[in-house]
Amino acid sequence: DAGVTQSPTHLIKTRGQQVTLRCSPKSGHDTVSWYQQALGQGPQFIFQYYEEEERQRGNFPDRFSGHQFPNYSSELNVNALLLGDSALYLCASSLGQGQGNTIYFGEGSWLTVV
Amino acid sequence: GQSLEQPSEVTAVEGAIVQINCTYQTSGFYGLSWYQQHDGGAPTFLSYNALDGLEETGRFSSFLSRSDSYGYLLLQELQMKDSASYFCAVFFLSSGSARQLTFGSGTQLTVLP
Repeated sequence: DAGVTQSPTHLIKTRGQQVTLRCSPKSGHDTVSWYQQALGQGPQFIFQYYEEEERQRGNFPDRFSGHQFPNYSSELNVNALLLGDSALYLCASSLGQGQGNTIYFGEGSWLTVV
Repeated sequence: GQSLEQPSEVTAVEGAIVQINCTYQTSGFYGLSWYQQHDGGAPTFLSYNALDGLEETGRFSSFLSRSDSYGYLLLQELQMKDSASYFCAVFFLSSGSARQLTFGSGTQLTVLP
């Protein structure tokens, strides 16, 4: 039973470029949440997708957008990259809203913006 | 909004017991979770408290007092591999029926030989 898988694991982009990160949820899960974790900080909630719609959104600009596919996998897109977007991007999956003990995280995608 | 406070750093020696405290402010509170994260890795779920009291899982225990908006993670018989960042996170009702997990800034635990 595969857990949450994310790709790519590491990538380097130039300021102003666009990036797409991908996430496959744990088998049986239908809800995907994305988090940004800057170095030395806790994960910050970006948004959550359920039934192919954005259900909740954190305090992130519109440059951050996402998508969920019929197979529940998800993408995070960031446009017009800034140096401050350099971070670990984490995907978490759950069944529905989940409970506090049924949310699983992937290994993350390390994004460096230069 | 939500806010969580936890110490930024804790140091202890192998075999010792350490307690990491977490205080929170949130509306629509469901429960308090604890996660462990090693450098460069995924946050790994440790425990969840929805009700007051102590939950024990092996060497790790977690406590919650809803009336005090306070919880702690207790790590016993510390091992070198326990050196990591530990995050408390509140699970709360964010809007409508939507629930969300919000993290504290983390506590870096260093276990010394």
